[in-house]
Amino acid sequence: EVQLVESGGTLVQPGGSLRLSCEVSGFIYRQYWMSWVRQAPGKGLEWVANINEDGSEKNYVDSVRGRFTISRDNAKNSLFLQMNSLRADDTAVYFCAREDYWTARGFYYYFMDVWGKGTTVTVSS
Amino acid sequence: DIQMTQSPSSLSASVGDRVTITCRASQSISVELNWYQQKSGKPPKLLIYVGSALQDGVPSRFSGSGSGTEFTLTISGLQLEDFATYYCQQSYSHPRTFGQGTKVEIK
Repeated sequence: EVQLVESGGTLVQPGGSLRLSCEVSGFIYRQYWMSWVRQAPGKGLEWVANINEDGSEKNYVDSVRGRFTISRDNAKNSLFLQMNSLRADDTAVYFCAREDYWTARGFYYYFMDVWGKGTTVTVSS
Repeated sequence: DIQMTQSPSSLSASVGDRVTITCRASQSISVELNWYQQKSGKPPKLLIYVGSALQDGVPSRFSGSGSGTEFTLTISGLQLEDFATYYCQQSYSHPRTFGQGTKVEIK
């Protein structure tokens, strides 16, 4: 069974740091891009960051660039999100998601087909 | 960044109704548009990818169409389990962006 399990969410003070983890199983992890997506309380989905198969390419939403770092350990089937300089508006449920793709005529079309249940990060004093 | 705008933001419908949700992109995204369903307290679930391809296991009453800047998600014959929030998302460029969501409620 394909499974993603996030952990590491907790209450942290503004300016603090946190490292989220996502352990995956049931598929060949090193063959997939992976994403982090968050959802603030009562709000919509916001894509945060993604990373390619070998970790050599990373992308971020502007609001976290320079504060958050996405990484992966393919030997341990794990994805990480290092979060520094946390702010109140980083409070959210953080989901990890697998990015699969469909290919046609040399183009790759990506979509997030498997999601974890999420881990909650609360930034408050 | 590509802005995704969904309409309506919410709608009320009855079981058996045909429901259409629209998603507009601020620039052309070809067919790089995905649709997700999210129920309260749960992670999103992929319904449609590449504009119109039905994800495995998703009922055929769900369909997607469109290209360029305008896309639609249609539910033909709304069922009780379809009451949820629906999001579009573009994968044409980074940062990936989602629409603000459309909440489908029971009339």
